[in-house]
Amino acid sequence: AQSVSQHNHHVILSEAASLELGCNYSYGGTVNLFWYVQYPGQHLQLLLKYFSGDPLVKGIKGFEAEFIKSKFSFNLRKPSVQWSDTAEYFCVVNTDKLIFGTGTRLQVFP
Amino acid sequence: KAGVTQTPRYLIKTRGQQVTLSCSPISGHRSVSWYQQTPGQGLQFLFEYFSETQRNKGNFPGRFSGRQFSNSRSEMNVSTLELGDSALYLCASSRGLAASTSYNEQFFGPGTRLTVL
Repeated sequence: AQSVSQHNHHVILSEAASLELGCNYSYGGTVNLFWYVQYPGQHLQLLLKYFSGDPLVKGIKGFEAEFIKSKFSFNLRKPSVQWSDTAEYFCVVNTDKLIFGTGTRLQVFP
Repeated sequence: KAGVTQTPRYLIKTRGQQVTLSCSPISGHRSVSWYQQTPGQGLQFLFEYFSETQRNKGNFPGRFSGRQFSNSRSEMNVSTLELGDSALYLCASSRGLAASTSYNEQFFGPGTRLTVL
């Protein structure tokens, strides 16, 4: 069955630290990959997406993700986090429907 | 442009009752998808409607059903509620131009928090 694994359930960082959130998926066919973010009290919103082409994709607010097909991975990165990045982050695989990872709660302390 | 709206925002029901949740998509969007979010199972896809027809469905029992109206508004119904149905139910809309949810960015609403006692 198709699935998405996010290895970090809860990450705590200080401002200016670097961030990398792991995501692996299991699906043998062509996939579209997304990271969604849910800020406290707000709706889920799209952070970035990969459909094809350059495997390094850039999203909003300085986030980027790299698609490594051989590793079935789509890790999210940011060189320097801010307090306002505190949120829950979901890795999502789109086959014929969206399959969400369990989410990673990121807390950034000033 | 107004976002996706869901009503009601909060709902308390008892076991055995039924419930109907409503979702109004972004203007011009023809696809509406529903998701269930729980602490244990995370976000799970329920079904997708496009032009009043169910186009895709997840692995939920038949107690969960939905429909879409000609104005693209959608309702989700859960019959014979169980304690385990307590969850945040999210609705997402997209243009739905492709044959499935592929290639269509989905915009999420705030959700309806259902509590079953």
